Amino acid sequence: EPEVTQTPSHQVTQMGQEVILRCVPISNHLYFYWYRQILGQKVEFLVSFYNNEISEKSEIFDDQFSVERPDGSNFTLKIRSTKLEDSAMYFCASSGGASGELFFGEGSRLTVL
Amino acid sequence: SQKIEQNSEALNIQEGKTATLTCNYTNYSPAYLQWYRQDPGRGPVFLLLIRENEKEKRKERLKVTFDTTLKQSLFHITASQPADSATYLCALGVNYQLIWGAGTKLIIKP
Repeated sequence: EPEVTQTPSHQVTQMGQEVILRCVPISNHLYFYWYRQILGQKVEFLVSFYNNEISEKSEIFDDQFSVERPDGSNFTLKIRSTKLEDSAMYFCASSGGASGELFFGEGSRLTVL
Repeated sequence: SQKIEQNSEALNIQEGKTATLTCNYTNYSPAYLQWYRQDPGRGPVFLLLIRENEKEKRKERLKVTFDTTLKQSLFHITASQPADSATYLCALGVNYQLIWGAGTKLIIKP
């Protein structure tokens, strides 16, 4: 069964460092998303991406964040200068349609010290 | 203000019984609603989608209802099993964006 894969599974970084989280969405999907979930809290939308551009972004997705689809398969989330409060699980998801089910990856746990 | 609410306390159900989880919302007009299951440390897994013009959807032991007048969705698991223990998330589809509830933790006791 096709799946969304994310790397790394866990990253520990120092405050102020740049972090890149990588995702390989399901190959024929067109819509890509990043979410985050702080431990014990709700899933929070960060950004959606369609047709090689951001389609929606939340208030959380400020200038410190950026997304790219550098080639036909990878979808990356970059955090330019990490803060302590960026510590969370980051989930990538993809969908074949605008209102379709989301397929989530297993997440990348980011710990900022 | 806009809200989406799920039971914040864990729901404890005896194995074999029907578990019913609620998702209430205010000041949204969702075109559809989705339910997901999330196990600790893992990504959510899609279960069911129900559209605004549908009253009920079923999939094996799962049933979802959607009442746009009451602004409520109910999620039922019949003949519950300990393996059904997880957190269940509802998500409203609004303008092709998903608005997520905080989830309800379901514990099925053998």
